[in-house]
Amino acid sequence: KNQVEQSPQSLIILEGKNCTLQCNYTVSPFSNLRWYKQDTGRGPVSLTIMTFSENTKSNGRYTATLDADTKQSSLHITASQLSDSASYICVVSAPGAQKLVFGQGTRLTINP
Amino acid sequence: GAVVSQHPSWVICKSGTSVKIECRSLDFQATTMFWYRQFPKQSLMLMATSNEGSKATYEQGVEKDKFLINHASLTLSTLTVTSAHPEDSSFYICSLGGRGTDTQYFGPGTRLTVL
Repeated sequence: KNQVEQSPQSLIILEGKNCTLQCNYTVSPFSNLRWYKQDTGRGPVSLTIMTFSENTKSNGRYTATLDADTKQSSLHITASQLSDSASYICVVSAPGAQKLVFGQGTRLTINP
Repeated sequence: GAVVSQHPSWVICKSGTSVKIECRSLDFQATTMFWYRQFPKQSLMLMATSNEGSKATYEQGVEKDKFLINHASLTLSTLTVTSAHPEDSSFYICSLGGRGTDTQYFGPGTRLTVL
C-alpha cells in the first residue's frame, strides 16, 4: 500500500529558531512530492514541488530536500516566525495518477 | 497557481437538513475536481473525484447518495450533504486539477457543523 509517513507528529520551537520536518514515502513509481502548509481552518497552500530528479527546492525560508533513493524528504524552515505555526503536509503522487497520497502532517507551533 | 474559492466558508445546520457547498475556480479550467474531508487533527481524506462530463467516482466507504457531487462546469463543482447528521460535521475542501497535470489547487475549505 502506498504510504506517506511524517515525523514528528507535532513540534514546538521558539521564534527565530530553525527546524526540520521529515517525510518518508513508499509510493512507487513516484512522480513528484509536494510540501503544503495548512493554517488552522484553511485549505492547504503549496510550498514546494519536486520531481524525482530534483534534490532540493527553496521557497523563501522554506527549503525542501528529496532523496529518491531512500524515499525521504525533509522540509527545513529557517528563522521561524510566529506565522509559521501551522500543519505541514507531505503529499506524493504517482505518474499519471490523479489521486494524491497524503501524509498525516506535522503540527508546528512557534512560540514567542 | 489557480485561485479557488469555496462558499460558504462555514455553515451550521440542523440534523436532517441538506447543505450545499460550492467550489469555484476563478481563473482555471478544471477538468477534474476533488472533494476532501478533514476531521480535527487528521489529514485530508479524498471523498470523490469528478471529471468533466462524467459522474463522480467515490472512494470506498463514501456514500454517493449522501454526498451528491455535481461538476456543473469547468469552473464550478458543488457538494451537497443530504440529510446531514452530527457525524458529518467536518472540514470539507475542494481541489481542482487540469488536463494533463497532476497538480491540484486547493480551496480554502468549508467548516460544516451539524447540530
